[in-house]
Amino acid sequence: DGGITQSPKYLFRKEGQNVTLSCEQNLNHDAMYWYRQDPGQGLRLIYYSQIVNDFQKGDIAEGYSVSREKKESFPLTVTSAQKNPTAFYLCASSISLAGVYEQYFGPGTRLTVT
Amino acid sequence: GESVGLHLPTLSVQEGDNSIINCAYSNSASDYFIWYKQESGKGPQFIIDIRSNMDKRQGQRVTVLLNKTVKHLSLQIAATQPGDSAVYFCAENGGYQKVTFGTGTKLQVIP
Repeated sequence: DGGITQSPKYLFRKEGQNVTLSCEQNLNHDAMYWYRQDPGQGLRLIYYSQIVNDFQKGDIAEGYSVSREKKESFPLTVTSAQKNPTAFYLCASSISLAGVYEQYFGPGTRLTVT
Repeated sequence: GESVGLHLPTLSVQEGDNSIINCAYSNSASDYFIWYKQESGKGPQFIIDIRSNMDKRQGQRVTVLLNKTVKHLSLQIAATQPGDSAVYFCAENGGYQKVTFGTGTKLQVIP
């Protein structure tokens, strides 16, 4: 089956700790994205990457970091600098950034920081 | 369940009736629009898309209407079923990463 996987589904961390969320795709897509979803709000873009070893900040990148060492993988690290990290995090991919293409989403990771 | 659906406008429909979900978009330069369905605790799923050179597109039980004059998009679901219960949101793509997602509408199907 082709698709995007995110793990784990639920993640709990203490304040002050960094945490890394996994995202893997086997769709052979060039572009990958990380979004944050909060109740009553639309998806907000954290980071995106259009190719291996390249990534760009989205609208709310502060307190987050990413890497893109492999085409299939785009992990997101939520650092202790992120002031309000508790949220539902969604990873997505698309064929390319260029032009207009549908984004395919993973199942999400719910992060709770206490 | 997850809190994605909290504080969203809710549309309640009787099973078997048609549903109409609306979305206003903001960027007159947007040329590609998508409707997503998100069930509780899951990632969004693609339902249907439409490009700006069209005003209507039909899928299986779903129709999307685009009115560029008033920047309005609607999703019509025919013969709504309990499995259609979810949050629905639109996305507009102005090209090269200018994607904006709406906040969503919660659809509740009453059996």
